[in-house]
Amino acid sequence: QKEVEQDPGPLSVPEGAIVSLNCTYSNSAFQYFMWYRQYSRKGPELLMYTYSSGNKEDGRFTAQVDKSSKYISLFIRDSQPSDSATYLCVLGTGGFKTIFGAGTRLFVKA
Amino acid sequence: KAGVTQTPRYLIKTRGQQVTLSCSPISGHRSVSWYQQTPGQGLQFLFEYFSETQRNKGNFPGRFSGRQFSNSRSEMNVSTLELGDSALYLCASSLTGLAGGVETQYFGPGTRLLVL
Repeated sequence: QKEVEQDPGPLSVPEGAIVSLNCTYSNSAFQYFMWYRQYSRKGPELLMYTYSSGNKEDGRFTAQVDKSSKYISLFIRDSQPSDSATYLCVLGTGGFKTIFGAGTRLFVKA
Repeated sequence: KAGVTQTPRYLIKTRGQQVTLSCSPISGHRSVSWYQQTPGQGLQFLFEYFSETQRNKGNFPGRFSGRQFSNSRSEMNVSTLELGDSALYLCASSLTGLAGGVETQYFGPGTRLLVL
């Protein structure tokens, strides 16, 4: 079993839809949770990070962490074609260990 | 501030050859990490360098090696290339890479390696 599971998609939604991207994990030692966005032919870029259970909002993006269920989500409201990218969840422990999810490819159709 | 740069951007090699990839971190960043990205395995950590020393290493065979220079620039070498080494190789830099990786990592555009 992989330490982090993420559905690779692709996920295709119409413009304006609410998008839900998810990851599950098995190691309770993970203490911080991040989402990176990767556009085609580019390296990943940090979108959001959080250390605790609950929600963190940044504009149209909301990161949600449920440590008891070992489940994290990224919600995108009012999705735009420019949101079309691959989204990677990234989990880290107190040490250097950082695990990337496989990434979910998202397509937002105009 | 200039971002992370990687050269070359694209590379085609044949099995058995070796390859060297280069990464220039953001000015002032001393930690450089290397990742391999493939459609099936996603992003996998290769190794991390700080102050010219390899500080962390992932689960890759010894054919994968790297080094860091005094100006923080880093190179990655893959010897005896195999077909399965075809991937996007990403370099990421951060200020110190400490505190459990909570620092933001800034990724370069990657080098796409194709092994024939």
